[in-house]
Amino acid sequence: DGGITQSPKYLFRKEGQNVTLSCEQNLNHDAMYWYRQDPGQGLRLIYYSQIVNDFQKGDIAEGYSVSREKKESFPLTVTSAQKNPTAFYLCASSKYDTGNAAFFGQGTRLTVV
Amino acid sequence: DQQVKQNSPSLSVQEGRISILNCDYTNSMFDYFLWYKKYPAEGPTFLISISSIKDKNEDGRFTVFLNKSAKHLSLHIVPSQPGDSAVYFCAASDGSGNTPLVFGKGTRLSVIA
Repeated sequence: DGGITQSPKYLFRKEGQNVTLSCEQNLNHDAMYWYRQDPGQGLRLIYYSQIVNDFQKGDIAEGYSVSREKKESFPLTVTSAQKNPTAFYLCASSKYDTGNAAFFGQGTRLTVV
Repeated sequence: DQQVKQNSPSLSVQEGRISILNCDYTNSMFDYFLWYKKYPAEGPTFLISISSIKDKNEDGRFTVFLNKSAKHLSLHIVPSQPGDSAVYFCAASDGSGNTPLVFGKGTRLSVIA
């Protein structure tokens, strides 16, 4: 089945630790994205990548890092510099056609304890 | 500065009636618009889209209307069903494939049986 897989679904992190969220897609999509959802805030863009080995900052990139070594994979690292990391993280991908509709994974709930 | 605005955080509708969700945008470069539906702790799912060359697009119970001069779009669901209860996000892009979607903050729809 084609789709986007995020893992893990739930993640707990101690304050001061870095953590990496996985995102894999087998849709042969060119672009991949990371969004963060907080209550009442909608979806805010963290990073995106339109091609392998290239990525751009979104609106709230501070405290996050990404890599795009393979077309299928776009992992997100939440670093200790991120001041408020507890949130629901969503990965998406899209193909370059009219509209650029994005398809989402099931999300990762990160909680800092 | 929010480029995509959903001014109603919530909406309650009786089962069988019409649900109308509204969205306004400010960026005149946007020419492709999408609606997503999201259940708690899940990723958003694509519902319906419309490009700026149209003013209406219909898919089953879902219809999206676009008023470019007013920079306004709306999603109509008729008849509304309890399973439609979810958060609905409006999103926009310039359709070039080079820029990520910009999302509104969402409207929580509750369909009451």
